[in-house]
Amino acid sequence: GAVVSQHPSWVICKSGTSVKIECRSLDFQATTMFWYRQFPKQSLMLMATSNEGSKATYEQGVEKDKFLINHASLTLSTLTVTSAHPEDSSFYICSARPARGSPYEQYFGPGTRLTVT
Amino acid sequence: GDSVTQMEGPVTLSEEAFLTINCTYTATGYPSLFWYVQYPGEGLQLLLKATKADDKGSNKGFEATYRKETTSFHLEKGSVQVSDSAVYFCALTRNTGGFKTIFGAGTRLFVKA
Repeated sequence: GAVVSQHPSWVICKSGTSVKIECRSLDFQATTMFWYRQFPKQSLMLMATSNEGSKATYEQGVEKDKFLINHASLTLSTLTVTSAHPEDSSFYICSARPARGSPYEQYFGPGTRLTVT
Repeated sequence: GDSVTQMEGPVTLSEEAFLTINCTYTATGYPSLFWYVQYPGEGLQLLLKATKADDKGSNKGFEATYRKETTSFHLEKGSVQVSDSAVYFCALTRNTGGFKTIFGAGTRLFVKA
């Protein structure tokens, strides 16, 4: 149990276009989902916390107008990278916290690799 | 702010060797500590955790003890296998501010047959 999927697993887009990444909890409901960004050989950096039915909370330095997050249901959160630029190329990972369970509990998706050309 | 520092990799070991991956942390209060593992092509999986000082987390032969006096949570395994080859992340979660998780940089482990 406790599976989280991400779609797509990889995407290439042109500079200036927008890309949407989906994060789904497949067998549990998640009131909270997290979005991370991982640079090569570096740690996961938390970008934002997504709560179902409310606005996402962004970490300092993350542009909320560039990285749009929507958590419209208890099983789906989306991250849209707007007007993408090459510096947005990265590995994006989501995690989901079950609605029932420990607040320390989270399950991770396999990640989405974004390449902006 | 809070931070996690873990030893740089890659770490290359022969099968059945002893493994230690060092992890130290800086945090206010009393965070919970975690080790996550990421196998190739997969998402991070929780390997073990400890929620208070002197707790020992263990799973699949891996162990780590929450040492508050040295602010450390070193990962150990007595005899590694080829299947343990993966990237290991040390992390902390504070029990305030939305229970956000801070990760170390990750340590890649290669185990040779």
